[in-house]
Amino acid sequence: DTGVSQNPRHKITKRGQNVTFRCDPISEHNRLYWYRQTLGQGPEFLTYFQNEAQLEKSRLLSDRFSAERPKGSFSTLEIQRTEQGDSAMYLCASSFPTGEQYFGPGTRLTVT
Amino acid sequence: SQQGEEDPQALSIQEGENATMNCSYKTSINNLQWYRQNSGRGLVHLILIRSNEREKHSGRLRVTLDTSKKSSSLLITASRAADTASYFCATDVDSGYALNFGKGTSLLVTP
Repeated sequence: DTGVSQNPRHKITKRGQNVTFRCDPISEHNRLYWYRQTLGQGPEFLTYFQNEAQLEKSRLLSDRFSAERPKGSFSTLEIQRTEQGDSAMYLCASSFPTGEQYFGPGTRLTVT
Repeated sequence: SQQGEEDPQALSIQEGENATMNCSYKTSINNLQWYRQNSGRGLVHLILIRSNEREKHSGRLRVTLDTSKKSSSLLITASRAADTASYFCATDVDSGYALNFGKGTSLLVTP
């Protein structure tokens, strides 16, 4: 399967802990995006990369969030000192520069 | 903030009927995309319509775009139970940059 993959699919953590998610995009795509989706809402943009460069970050991405895409391949999203408000589905997508975005299955984070 | 606004929020129809969902947005766009999301799963891209296009078809899907009214519609013809899902419109403002999603329309197709 050559689609976008995300790991883990589910993560339960206690408030204050750090968590890291991984996204493996479609290999030919040079753009990679992170979104967050809460229940009953559409996805909200967090950040995006072109190759290894992080080109834009949403105001939603507080300083507790950091994303990396070393070597322009897979990406990681880390949340430090998690809060209950961080509970959401974290979605990764990849694309060519002007094409449609292909989404992974998401990582569901629950902060207790 | 979410730019797109889908209408209705929820729609319930029977198999074989057509389903129409509308999307309104606020700023000029490069393109508008429709996505489907089954319960608790990732989004599946359905169709992309560029700002200079007015109508596009893909199988049982028909999308229209009216840039003067800043609105789009998605028509699903001859609906099936498998079409049950949430449908989102997403606008691309900066050509390949972030997508701005609406809150979605929840479609239920009953046999």
